[in-house]
Amino acid sequence: DGGITQSPKYLFRKEGQNVTLSCEQNLNHDAMYWYRQDPGQGLRLIYYSQIVNDFQKGDIAEGYSVSREKKESFPLTVTSAQKNPTAFYLCASSPHRVRKNRARFLDQETQYFGPGTRLLVL
Amino acid sequence: GEDVEQSLFLSVREGDSSVINCTYTDSSSTYLYWYKQEPGAGLQLLTYIFSNMDMKQDQRLTVLLNKKDKHLSLRIADTQTGDSAIYFCAESIRGYNFNKFYFGSGTKLNVKP
Repeated sequence: DGGITQSPKYLFRKEGQNVTLSCEQNLNHDAMYWYRQDPGQGLRLIYYSQIVNDFQKGDIAEGYSVSREKKESFPLTVTSAQKNPTAFYLCASSPHRVRKNRARFLDQETQYFGPGTRLLVL
Repeated sequence: GEDVEQSLFLSVREGDSSVINCTYTDSSSTYLYWYKQEPGAGLQLLTYIFSNMDMKQDQRLTVLLNKKDKHLSLRIADTQTGDSAIYFCAESIRGYNFNKFYFGSGTKLNVKP
């Protein structure tokens, strides 16, 4: 089965602790993304990566860090600097970072989502 | 920044049609999407429409796009209790080498038996 997996489903963080959320995909997608979802709000982009060993800040990167050492993996660390980490975190991936021709345009840019990780603060 | 707006709630009776509306502000969108989110789950891609199309039908789903008014709608025919979920519209804006997604805040659809 191809897909995107996130673990754990629930994660508890103590004050001052760093925690890492896992995101793995076996879809052979180049691009991966992390979003944060708060109740009654849309998704906000934290970080994205278009290719291995490269990543860029999104709209709300402060207090978060990422790495992209392997194509299939894009872990997100929520650091102690993130003062309001309680949220639902969604990982997504899309096939390619650059469109090559019109016929493949949709396949390249559509984002597919994992099941999410809910982070709670103790 | 980009604004994508949706009403927060919609309640319908089973068997009726549901219409979920969305407005956006950036006219340079390439694709517009509808995603469905069930409680505690990720987003599931439902359907999409290319920005130069007016309508797309996919089984019980009909997407209408009014590009002049920057208005997107999702109609679900014969709505079932299993359609109860949060529905997000999203638009993709073409960047230099990155297509950024902007999401609405979601419309919670409640289907009453």
